[in-house]
Amino acid sequence: AQSVSQHNHHVILSEAASLELGCNYSYGGTVNLFWYVQYPGQHLQLLLKYFSGDPLVKGIKGFEAEFIKSKFSFNLRKPSVQWSDTAEYFCAVSKHQAGTALIFGKGTTLSVSS
Amino acid sequence: GAVVSQHPSWVICKSGTSVKIECRSLDFQATTMFWYRQFPKQSLMLMATSNEGSKATYEQGVEKDKFLINHASLTLSTLTVTSAHPEDSSFYICSATFLTGGGGYTFGSGTRLTVV
Repeated sequence: AQSVSQHNHHVILSEAASLELGCNYSYGGTVNLFWYVQYPGQHLQLLLKYFSGDPLVKGIKGFEAEFIKSKFSFNLRKPSVQWSDTAEYFCAVSKHQAGTALIFGKGTTLSVSS
Repeated sequence: GAVVSQHPSWVICKSGTSVKIECRSLDFQATTMFWYRQFPKQSLMLMATSNEGSKATYEQGVEKDKFLINHASLTLSTLTVTSAHPEDSSFYICSATFLTGGGGYTFGSGTRLTVV
């Protein structure tokens, strides 16, 4: 079964700092990769996803992620964070086949101070 | 497109009673739906996968007799928490896959269950 590891439990940054959140997965087959954000008291929102093609994926709100197959990684980046980016971030993986569930990492709490 | 409606948004019930949570796909047919549980400040844990017209597949450690899942149509899946106890209090979220726009997963808005 696949699993997802998010290395950073809690990240604290000042506004305008750069962000990189780590995500590694374990599964030998082809995967689909996702990053979701959950703002306090709100529902999951998709930031970006990777199915195939260009391993550098651009998402909403200035986020991007790079799929490095050899490292089984899909790290999330943003060059300059804002206070409004304070939220919980989840990396998720699914097998590249129809009808399979998303498996989520434990999440990273990002706190941005203004 | 690919909207999933989940009801109720929150429910409070007494210990020993049962609670049903509905998840409807509004503008697409959801052959497969997934049920997750999220504890405060924690991740989403997959509970089960439900396929229309067949029995749900439960993840290890999830009691199938306590968490009854029914997926009788292509637009409706239900999760019934039977004989609820305070430790069943949690946030339950349904999800479904969709194929339009490159495909992906859509999520219900979740149900906050409190058992008193």
